[in-house]
Amino acid sequence: QSVLTQPPSVSATPGQKVTISCSGSSSNIGNNYVSWYQHLPGTAPKLLIYDNNKRPSGIPDRFSGSKSGTSATLGITGLQTGDEADYYCGTWDSSLSAGVFGGGTKLTVL
Amino acid sequence: EMQLVESGGGLVQPGGSLRLSCAASGFTFRSYWMHWVRQAPGKGLVWVSRINTDGSTTNYADSVKGRFTISRDNAKNTLYLQMNSLRAEDTAVYFCARGYGSTYYYTVGYWGQGTLVTVSS
Repeated sequence: QSVLTQPPSVSATPGQKVTISCSGSSSNIGNNYVSWYQHLPGTAPKLLIYDNNKRPSGIPDRFSGSKSGTSATLGITGLQTGDEADYYCGTWDSSLSAGVFGGGTKLTVL
Repeated sequence: EMQLVESGGGLVQPGGSLRLSCAASGFTFRSYWMHWVRQAPGKGLVWVSRINTDGSTTNYADSVKGRFTISRDNAKNTLYLQMNSLRAEDTAVYFCARGYGSTYYYTVGYWGQGTLVTVSS
């Protein structure tokens, strides 16, 4: 059971927009920055969003992040088949003194 | 080009030990917090441990506390994970990862390709 809660799966068609939610508590999301990662099996995960809503160099602006209270959201617009992957939210839990990830959300682009 | 290359994975019996290494290149290793993250077969990412720039501060997930030890050798640009008293549930791909920036102590920015650890008799 992950400390951060994500939906197991989401799906959409090419060109559409999708959002992935990440729910936590005051000890993690509520008081720390959230990051989002894209992971294709067999490869190294890739950072998409850091500090709740900032994009590293090279990440297209189709990817966005937001945070409100103890929840965070990843948004992806203009969906492409290449976006099919597992997506994870992550942050620090101040009570556990440990890093925490969500359980992951599998995105299917139909 | 920044690189993180893990090694040391393999098959080990329950109760056994293994030491993972992560060779870093392409950046100033001694300036970054470093992490280990694992992924069990068919499961999600799980944070394991982190270490600060000079090795004086470490943190562990409850599931590995007292069994795993993270360390680093800044002269050799290498991160380590000593894993003792291994259990079947420790079977996973172990990723070495770097903090996003030198001031980021919990945001993981860059990842290696991972090394597989299998605990089985």
